[in-house]
Amino acid sequence: GAVVSQHPSWVICKSGTSVKIECRSLDFQATTMFWYRQFPKQSLMLMATSNEGSKATYEQGVEKDKFLINHASLTLSTLTVTSAHPEDSSFYICSASFSAGGEQYFGPGTRLTVT
Amino acid sequence: DQQVKQNSPSLSVQEGRISILNCDYTNSMFDYFLWYKKYPAEGPTFLISISSIKDKNEDGRFTVFLNKSAKHLSLHIVPSQPGDSAVYFCAASGRSNYQLIWGAGTKLIIKP
Repeated sequence: GAVVSQHPSWVICKSGTSVKIECRSLDFQATTMFWYRQFPKQSLMLMATSNEGSKATYEQGVEKDKFLINHASLTLSTLTVTSAHPEDSSFYICSASFSAGGEQYFGPGTRLTVT
Repeated sequence: DQQVKQNSPSLSVQEGRISILNCDYTNSMFDYFLWYKKYPAEGPTFLISISSIKDKNEDGRFTVFLNKSAKHLSLHIVPSQPGDSAVYFCAASGRSNYQLIWGAGTKLIIKP
């Protein structure tokens, strides 16, 4: 149980275009979903927290107009990287939580390459 | 200010021996601690957790120890297996929200 999927797993896009990444909780309803970014050899960096039906809460330094997050249902959250630039190339990981216990279940990640 | 610290970037252990991964934290409001395992280009996988009301939690080969007075926790893996080679992240959370505060990770290498 507690499976989280992400789509796509890998995407290449041209600079200036937008890319949408989906995160789904497959067998549970996720009260809260999180979006992370991982830089090489560094820890996961929390970008934003989203609760179903409300606006996402962004971490300091994360541009909310550039990284659009929509949490439309208890099983789906999307991250859209708008006007992507090469420096946005990274590994984006989502996670979902269904209880106040603190455990998060992670998706497999999406590798974004902007050329 | 790093609230969760994993001071060893890497650790090499002989197969069959015990692996001990350490984690220190500074925020006394943390009350739940977790260990995740991560392979390259994959999302982290939850391993084991411990609440601040306990000082030990065991699950198979994995045991987590919590020393609240020292603000220190450790993950013991015994016996270590080649498949345990991965990056291990320590994370902590408080009562107020679900957010996890992550350490920088320790790369564990199990030598045959």
